[in-house]
Amino acid sequence: DGGITQSPKYLFRKEGQNVTLSCEQNLNHDAMYWYRQDPGQGLRLIYYSQIVNDFQKGDIAEGYSVSREKKESFPLTVTSAQKNPTAFYLCASSYPRLAGKELFFGEGSRLTVL
Amino acid sequence: AQSVTQLDSHVSVSEGTPVLLRCNYSSSYSPSLFWYVQHPNKGLQLLLKYTSAATLVKGINGFEAEFKKSETSFHLTKPSAHMSDAAEYFCVVSGGNQGGKLIFGQGTELSVKP
Repeated sequence: DGGITQSPKYLFRKEGQNVTLSCEQNLNHDAMYWYRQDPGQGLRLIYYSQIVNDFQKGDIAEGYSVSREKKESFPLTVTSAQKNPTAFYLCASSYPRLAGKELFFGEGSRLTVL
Repeated sequence: AQSVTQLDSHVSVSEGTPVLLRCNYSSSYSPSLFWYVQHPNKGLQLLLKYTSAATLVKGINGFEAEFKKSETSFHLTKPSAHMSDAAEYFCVVSGGNQGGKLIFGQGTELSVKP
């Protein structure tokens, strides 16, 4: 079945450590996105990529980094510079030529900093 | 600039009664509008979308929404709530020419009482 796979589902990190969240899609979508979700704040865009080897900052990119070396993969690194990294992280993809740019989401990764 | 406001952070209904989740939007362009549902610790799933076709949009699980340009609203309704409808619901507006960017509302948590 086509879809988006995020891993790990739960992750614990000590302060000062970098962590990388994986996102893989087999939908053949060009565009991929990372969102952060905090209670009562909806979803906020961290980074997005519309094509391989290119990506743009979203609204809250500070303390995060991404790469897009393959169409199927868009990993997110949460660096030690991110001051409040505990959150639920959602990866999504879309086929931009489709009217309305519907997003398809993964199941999410919950990061907790100890 | 685009924006979206979900007028209720929490709605509680009894099973079998109607559901109304309210959403107002602001957009300089002809918007695309979406409703997504999120169950706890899961990703978001598309319920329905409006992309300038019929103003009454039918979605999955018996939900529908009506696009009212004069009122800048896109309220989500369902005639009869089911226990499985308990979840968080997000109203989303497309970001016009901002490539790949959607604007999410803060979310409405729907509780369904037996």
